[in-house]
Amino acid sequence: DAKTTQPNSMESNEEEPVHLPCNHSTISGTDYIHWYRQLPSQGPEYVIHGLTSNVNNRMASLAIAEDRKSSTLILHRATLRDAAVYYCILRALISSGSARQLTFGSGTQLTVLP
Amino acid sequence: DTGVSQNPRHKITKRGQNVTFRCDPISEHNRLYWYRQTLGQGPEFLTYFQNEAQLEKSRLLSDRFSAERPKGSFSTLEIQRTEQGDSAMYLCASSFTSGGETQYFGPGTRLLVL
Repeated sequence: DAKTTQPNSMESNEEEPVHLPCNHSTISGTDYIHWYRQLPSQGPEYVIHGLTSNVNNRMASLAIAEDRKSSTLILHRATLRDAAVYYCILRALISSGSARQLTFGSGTQLTVLP
Repeated sequence: DTGVSQNPRHKITKRGQNVTFRCDPISEHNRLYWYRQTLGQGPEFLTYFQNEAQLEKSRLLSDRFSAERPKGSFSTLEIQRTEQGDSAMYLCASSFTSGGETQYFGPGTRLLVL
């Protein structure tokens, strides 16, 4: 799987937007960009994923660069409950009968300040 | 359904003892994954089941580790002759065969080998 690069840590103030960057310069044309987060003492939790177009869901937005070599996870209004480690993961298109595990890096530790 | 559950949540054992962990996936999910996470690192893939068949194993899964999913429902992960280096969080995830392949994680079992 292609590698991703994320900052080790970021800080944000409560109720302000947060932009979490991810570089993936070796991404292939069929790699999906997935984001998971892990709150303290919990298992990882799916946040969002996309291929080429920007994506929105109730948790966050995903902005994907035109060349797909980078992406940004956007939390529109950070809350204290958003403090977590955020992982950016590339996953190859899954073909019938096969499955691919998630390959996690070290992620970005997001601290939300009150 | 309340999601993926894992038992026990915590386990302390002495070096050389055997331990077994259980994972109950989301009921309609046919795929089940085991991961291991050490402090400050992202989860690392151990093994994967589709229904009752174990289809993939990581090189991390030494001969002391064995996993089963006897009826394609719950799974167990056994570690024989535990070593201090086995101390980690053991995470289980499940998913349903689909284009998105989102994995849903349990809360994990934290193992401490003394």
